[in-house]
Amino acid sequence: GQQLNQSPQSMFIQEGEDVSMNCTSSSIFNTWLWYKQDPGEGPVLLIALYKAGELTSNGRLTAQFGITRKDSFLNISASIPSDVGIYFCAGPLTRGGSNYKLTFGKGTLLTVNP
Amino acid sequence: DSGVTQTPKHLITATGQRVTLRCSPRSGDLSVYWYQQSLDQGLQFLIQYYNGEERAKGNILERFSAQQFPDLHSELNLSSLELGDSALYFCASSVSLSIGDDGYTFGSGTRLTVV
Repeated sequence: GQQLNQSPQSMFIQEGEDVSMNCTSSSIFNTWLWYKQDPGEGPVLLIALYKAGELTSNGRLTAQFGITRKDSFLNISASIPSDVGIYFCAGPLTRGGSNYKLTFGKGTLLTVNP
Repeated sequence: DSGVTQTPKHLITATGQRVTLRCSPRSGDLSVYWYQQSLDQGLQFLIQYYNGEERAKGNILERFSAQQFPDLHSELNLSSLELGDSALYFCASSVSLSIGDDGYTFGSGTRLTVV
């Protein structure tokens, strides 16, 4: 089946540093989603990307939909302690032309040292 | 608050037992999805219901079953529990049968510990 390979698995950074993580797939996706999971909570949608080459920002977060439609990256600028959490990429699997479920990468665990 | 309510938040039970996890979707959402999250496997899709009917099945064990009721809440039943079933179980919901471009909304999860 379609798998999303997310890297790095974990990152330890100092407050104020920029962070970059990415997600690749052997299959094409028509949408890329980035979620963040805080400890003890469910994943929350950060950014959604709908078109190849699209670059979208949400505050200090920027994500891009790769031109091949097989990859995406997420950047966080000037990290702060509350950025700590697990970041997941996700893409919808299609059936009959419709998106019917999300498949997730294994996540990037981000730790920010104040 | 995401609008998706899961109960209980924590559950500790013994091997061989049966438990029921409950999910109330966000108001207006007709689709409910169940996911299992473990350290080594990440978020694994289990099953989807739409307006009371099962619509998609993932890596769900035969010991597990689910249903969606007329009021749209859903229950995930886990039986003959094993130590390896210990995980976080998430429910998510979306408006339609097909995932919208903004994905879906997750609840806070139920942490199941089997001892």
